[in-house]
Amino acid sequence: EVQLVQSGGGLEQPGGSLRLSCEASGFTFGTYWMNWVRQAPGKGPEWVANIRQDGNEIYYLASVKGRFTISRDNARNSLYLQMNSLRVEDTAVYYCTTLWDLGVGALDYWGQGSLVTVSS
Amino acid sequence: QSVLTQPPSASGTPGQRVTISCSGSSSNIGRDSVYWYRQLPGTAPKLLMYWSDQRPSGVPDRFSGSKSGASASLAISGLRSDDEADYYCATWDDRLKSVVFGGGTKLTVL
Repeated sequence: EVQLVQSGGGLEQPGGSLRLSCEASGFTFGTYWMNWVRQAPGKGPEWVANIRQDGNEIYYLASVKGRFTISRDNARNSLYLQMNSLRVEDTAVYYCTTLWDLGVGALDYWGQGSLVTVSS
Repeated sequence: QSVLTQPPSASGTPGQRVTISCSGSSSNIGRDSVYWYRQLPGTAPKLLMYWSDQRPSGVPDRFSGSKSGASASLAISGLRSDDEADYYCATWDDRLKSVVFGGGTKLTVL
């Protein structure tokens, strides 16, 4: 069974830091591009960042560039998002996902979501 | 304001055919495939269409996708009450170097 199990998140003050983790199982994690996608309350999905299979190609949403860092450890089948200098507008549910780097049957895989609340 | 433009709402009666549009530009839809996601409240989005017109395993053929120039559309035929959901288009924007989503279309089955 394919699983993406997320941890981390929570309540943090503006300017603070949080780290999200996502552990994959049931598929060959190291062969997929991986993404973080967030969704603010009542809003649509917003892509945050992605990382190539070998970690050597990375892209970020303009508003998080320089504050967030995506990384992966293929030996641990894990994806990470280090979030620094958090802003109120970063409040959202964050999902790790293969997005459209598709698996068997052209299926996409998503984590269960991690709520990040930035508030004073 | 989203880079990809979708109508905020769409509706139809059971059995009808509904189309949801997604408009972009030469830096996104005009040069890359479009992906459609469906989302139910409290759940993660789920891929509904890939490479503009391909259905993942398990998606019924009532759903179809198309792309022309810098626009794309998702059609749902034989509308059912459980098709009620939010639908989002997405693609890669080569000018922004980022994945972009549409603002979403809330489909109501009357």
